[in-house]
Order: sequence, then structure tokens, then C-alpha cells
Amino acid sequence: GQSLEQPSEVTAVEGAIVQINCTYQTSGFYGLSWYQQHDGGAPTFLSYNALDGLEETGRFSSFLSRSDSYGYLLLQELQMKDSASYFCAVRDRDDKIIFGKGTRLHILP
Amino acid sequence: DAMVIQNPRYQVTQFGKPVTLSCSQTLNHNVMYWYQQKSSQAPKLLFHYYDKDFNNEADTPDNFQSRRPNTSFCFLDIRSPGLGDAAMYLCATSLTSSYEQYFGPGTRLTVT
Repeated sequence: GQSLEQPSEVTAVEGAIVQINCTYQTSGFYGLSWYQQHDGGAPTFLSYNALDGLEETGRFSSFLSRSDSYGYLLLQELQMKDSASYFCAVRDRDDKIIFGKGTRLHILP
Repeated sequence: DAMVIQNPRYQVTQFGKPVTLSCSQTLNHNVMYWYQQKSSQAPKLLFHYYDKDFNNEADTPDNFQSRRPNTSFCFLDIRSPGLGDAAMYLCATSLTSSYEQYFGPGTRLTVT
């Protein structure tokens, strides 16, 4: 079967750094994406990794290790507006994008 | 601005009364998706279109149908909504082999 595992909740302090992990098991793998979703809103794309290594986009970075079927999203200089749910997602060989269950990020002042 | 539009944003229907949700896009993307998302859960893929080719998820109930009359529009029909079908319905688009999906704002369906 296909599955993506990520923690259900993470709590961090404003200004700090937080890492959200994702492990996956899918039929075919064409890249790991991360999406952010605020309450009541639609998911918005954050980042994508097709190859091993770190991709940086401003305060957000994403890492992939294909040999370990593992990736993570790193958020730096946390702001209160970063409070949201974060989903990892994998594109499989059928061109479907499969989402993990999401990690709820709580930020404390 | 190019975008994904969903109408209506909020829909209330009665138990068993058919309802149609619509999605349109100005991105000219060839792949369109319908997701169901319940509170505090991940989006669950119902089906997707690769151009005109319809791809149904194995666990999508027969109660859910879809139409894509052209590249820009896609509809989700719920033939006999049950209370368990109350959810946010998200439409998304992407280009073939693209890693990024563009989501519409969603339609929140309430079943009374």
C-alpha cells in the first residue's frame, strides 16, 4: 500500500526553528512536496524535492533522502502566521499526488 | 491572475438531494483533481482527469460522479448526499508531470 507518515502535532516557540519529518512508502516516486494549509483555507504549495539534498526557499527549506524514503520541512525564524497544518505529498507513477495526514504546527509567543 | 475558481464557496443541501459543485481554471492545466477533506484530516483524492481521461479512486463511493466538459471546467456531482458527505471539497489542477498542484478555495458542503 501507499502511506506517508508525519507527526500529528508539533509545538515551537516564535523565532525558533522547527523540523517536520515525513517518511513515505509509495508505488513509484517522482518527488516529495510540502503544502501549507491554514484553518479554513486551501493547501498552498511550499516546496518540492525530486533529488536528494536540501532545497531552500526563504525561511523554509526541504530535504529529501530517497534511499531512506525520508524528507523533512525546516521552518526557520518562526512567526505566528506560520501556525498551520503542513502536509507532505508524493507524486506516484499514476500522476496522483498522495498526501500525508498532516502536521499541525502550534507556535507559542 | 490565472487561478482555480470554485463555486459556490458554501453549499447547503438536504439529505438525499443531488448537488453539483463546480470548478473552473484559467491556468490551462491538463490535469484536474477533486479532493474531499474533513476536519483535521488530509485531503482525500476522489478522482482526477488526465485531459479527458477519467481516473476514479478505488474507494470513491458510487454516489460521487464527475464531469469535465472541457479543459477549463470540472464538476463534482453527489447524487444522494448523506450526512457523512459533509466536508470541504477541493479542486486542484496541475500540468502533466508537474510536482505542483494549484488548489481552489474549496466548497464547504453542509448536509441537513
